Amino acid sequence: DTGVSQNPRHKITKRGQNVTFRCDPISEHNRLYWYRQTLGQGPEFLTYFQNEAQLEKSRLLSDRFSAERPKGSFSTLEIQRTEQGDSAMYLCASSSRDSNQPQHFGDGTRLSIL
Amino acid sequence: AQSVTQLGSHVSVSEGALVLLRCNYSSSVPPYLFWYVQYPNQGLQLLLKYTSAATLVKGINGFEAEFKKSETSFHLTKPSAHMSDAAEYFCAVSPKAAGNKLTFGGGTRVLVKP
Repeated sequence: DTGVSQNPRHKITKRGQNVTFRCDPISEHNRLYWYRQTLGQGPEFLTYFQNEAQLEKSRLLSDRFSAERPKGSFSTLEIQRTEQGDSAMYLCASSSRDSNQPQHFGDGTRLSIL
Repeated sequence: AQSVTQLGSHVSVSEGALVLLRCNYSSSVPPYLFWYVQYPNQGLQLLLKYTSAATLVKGINGFEAEFKKSETSFHLTKPSAHMSDAAEYFCAVSPKAAGNKLTFGGGTRVLVKP
């Protein structure tokens, strides 16, 4: 069990630029989740996948956000035309299909918009 | 919709003293309940979970939590605080259904005084 891996750990970009984050889940986990955490707050759910299917999206996920999990393994989260309000920690988590099993989190990608 | 309330955004305890972190949830049916800990610039680490088995749940690092359905509470305790317990703690709930996305409380930051 190598844990959930997220890259990059930090991303600094100018407003209006596009950014992409990657998440590699625990290999035997078929569920993958994205959360956003702003300073001083708890994480907020963005979206989740079961295998390659994106099954739920939060209304927080505006049309500038897109997530993919093309082969049911790693996932990417892209933000287009970044805005100041996108500055946050983006957390990825994975879990097995059993609903009573906990989610395991990566260390996150911290996004700073200049 | 589910919601989680953590009473007290900051808690200060002396080393060796009792740690008590409060969590109340709102849900139409008893959900699954979790406590996570977050150290600076890291992801979330699972401390313990409640999934309909014993109401008193023991976790890692000497923490435990008790599920009280009548009070819709899941408070976290540790008999004797250690300096390494200084971190932010999040209570979370998920529905007992497919998807099991987590809804987090706002977090409680614990400061341990020597």
